[in-house]
Amino acid sequence: KAGVTQTPRYLIKTRGQQVTLSCSPISGHRSVSWYQQTPGQGLQFLFEYFSETQRNKGNFPGRFSGRQFSNSRSEMNVSTLELGDSALYLCASSSPAGQRAEAFFGQGTRLTVV
Amino acid sequence: AQTVTQSQPEMSVQEAETVTLSCTYDTSESDYYLFWYKQPPSRQMILVIRQEAYKQQNATENRFSVNFQKAAKSFSLKISDSQLGDAAMYFCAYIAGANSKLTFGKGITLSVRP
Repeated sequence: KAGVTQTPRYLIKTRGQQVTLSCSPISGHRSVSWYQQTPGQGLQFLFEYFSETQRNKGNFPGRFSGRQFSNSRSEMNVSTLELGDSALYLCASSSPAGQRAEAFFGQGTRLTVV
Repeated sequence: AQTVTQSQPEMSVQEAETVTLSCTYDTSESDYYLFWYKQPPSRQMILVIRQEAYKQQNATENRFSVNFQKAAKSFSLKISDSQLGDAAMYFCAYIAGANSKLTFGKGITLSVRP
């Protein structure tokens, strides 16, 4: 069974640009969550999607958005990039959704904003 | 708000020895789950062990076990017979409710001395 796949693995962008990150969950998983990991703030929850609907959202500005497609693949978008957006972005999938489900993580996308 | 605290930023253990990583949490929920995740240099988060709050028995997975003290809101991880491959960052995490939002501690870097 293939794991969670995140693309690209590395990305360098310039301030003011926008970026789209992709996450393909484990087959059959309908819940996809996104996390931002930085040395200063640690791991912070961005949002969760389940069956193409955003079910939960963290405390991030509106520049951070996401969506989920009918095949459960998810994308997150960051517009008007800032230097502080440099981070490792992790995606996790689980099924069935809920606290009893183990979250399986991808290897992340390392975003560097210059 | 739920919080997870890992007060030790770094720890070191001799190979084959035992080490305990500490974690405390704060919640008003009665039904929740606690996790320890391992993040090696490859950056992929791997679930080490899970504890259901309603279970009094401490979870065990091979060399990994927890000491769950619900009243004290403490959840420590014991690694027995430490191996070089155990060197990684370890995160304590909490989840409750009907969604999949994980709240993480800041993490602890564990090094294993040969």
